[in-house]
Amino acid sequence: AQKITQTQPGMFVQEKEAVTLDCTYDTSDQSYGLFWYKQPSSGEMIFLIYQGSYDEQNATEGRYSLNFQKARKSANLVISASQLGDSAMYFCAMSATGFQKLVFGTGTRLLVSP
Amino acid sequence: ETGVTQSPTHLIKTRGQQVTLRCSSQSGHNTVSWYQQALGQGPQFIFQYYREEENGRGNFPPRFSGLQFPNYSSELNVNALELDDSALYLCASSSGTPGLSEKLFFGSGTQLSVL
Repeated sequence: AQKITQTQPGMFVQEKEAVTLDCTYDTSDQSYGLFWYKQPSSGEMIFLIYQGSYDEQNATEGRYSLNFQKARKSANLVISASQLGDSAMYFCAMSATGFQKLVFGTGTRLLVSP
Repeated sequence: ETGVTQSPTHLIKTRGQQVTLRCSSQSGHNTVSWYQQALGQGPQFIFQYYREEENGRGNFPPRFSGLQFPNYSSELNVNALELDDSALYLCASSSGTPGLSEKLFFGSGTQLSVL
């Protein structure tokens, strides 16, 4: 069974600084996908970035990058140049073999201060 | 292009009642998934529908059931409501054949409170 662990309940960062949100995962599958979603107070989950287990390059999407370390089973999200609008819950998730079920972690609340 | 829309946004029910939540998937999307998010937790997978057929189910009892319609909209039905069913219910849609890399587009959810 897949499991996602996010050990940081909350993180604080100043505007314009970079921040790393931690995520470790556990799976016996060889093929899997790793995702990060942002959940603002409105409740909607917003897709940020995806990394496939066979991708050799770390994924990047604008200010978001995913630091993928397969041997350590970690998939940390790096947000560069934080903005006030980045304040939200961030969830790491993994896709399971066979269909698009996502297994989510418990999330990290990020607060960006001016 | 319209996104995923869910209705109602909030709902209050009492124990033992039944509830139906609705979801309109994003235009062109043929797969719908439902997730339950309890307070302070990550979403948990309930089930997925692909082209009107159930295509996977999480660890939820049979009183959680669903439907997908020909226009790919979907319903989540919960019978015999329990207090622990209080949660945010999220619907997500995607296009193409379900796979590991397909990203999901989520609605804003229905907040269900069971008293």
